[in-house]
Amino acid sequence: GAVVSQHPSRVICKSGTSVKIECRSLDFQATTMFWYRQFPKQSLMLMATSNEGSKATYEQGVEKDKFLINHASLTLSTLTVTSAHPEDSSFYICSAISGQGGNEQFFGPGTRLTVL
Amino acid sequence: RKEVEQDPGPFNVPEGATVAFNCTYSNSASQSFFWYRQDCRKEPKLLMSVYSSGNEDGRFTAQLNRASQYISLLIRDSKLSDSATYLCAVAIGGGGADGLTFGKGTHLIIQP
Repeated sequence: GAVVSQHPSRVICKSGTSVKIECRSLDFQATTMFWYRQFPKQSLMLMATSNEGSKATYEQGVEKDKFLINHASLTLSTLTVTSAHPEDSSFYICSAISGQGGNEQFFGPGTRLTVL
Repeated sequence: RKEVEQDPGPFNVPEGATVAFNCTYSNSASQSFFWYRQDCRKEPKLLMSVYSSGNEDGRFTAQLNRASQYISLLIRDSKLSDSATYLCAVAIGGGGADGLTFGKGTHLIIQP
């Protein structure tokens, strides 16, 4: 149980385009989802916390107008990178917490974004 | 000062040896502590949570030292399959509703 999927797993796009990444909890309802970003040889950095039905909470330094998060249901959160630029190229990973209690975050397999 | 610090390594260790990593955290309000394993270009996978009393899971033992603000991971009888990057992570909240702050990870290479 506790499987989180992400789609797409890899995306290459041109500079200036927008890219949407989906994060789904497959076998549980996720009251809270998190979005992280990891640059090569760096740590995972929390970008934002997403709660179903409410606005996401962004970490300091993360532009909310550039990284649009929507958590419309208990099993789906989306991250849209708007007007992507090469410096946005990174590994984007979501995680989800079950609403059943416990504090384990279940991570998705990640999406590797390359902006040309 | 970085919030969570780890020695990046790499640690080159012969198979069967015991290896230990430390991780220090700066926020004394941190309540939850974890060790994750991350394989190359993959998502992190939870190895174990770290409790104040310490915990053990097979060959893996984790300890928490709140006074000195560090957590440790000990791997006994290391296997080739233990080769990976080990990330420590902390959260402010105890209930898991907070995002995690990760260290950069310690790269472990087990050699035959």
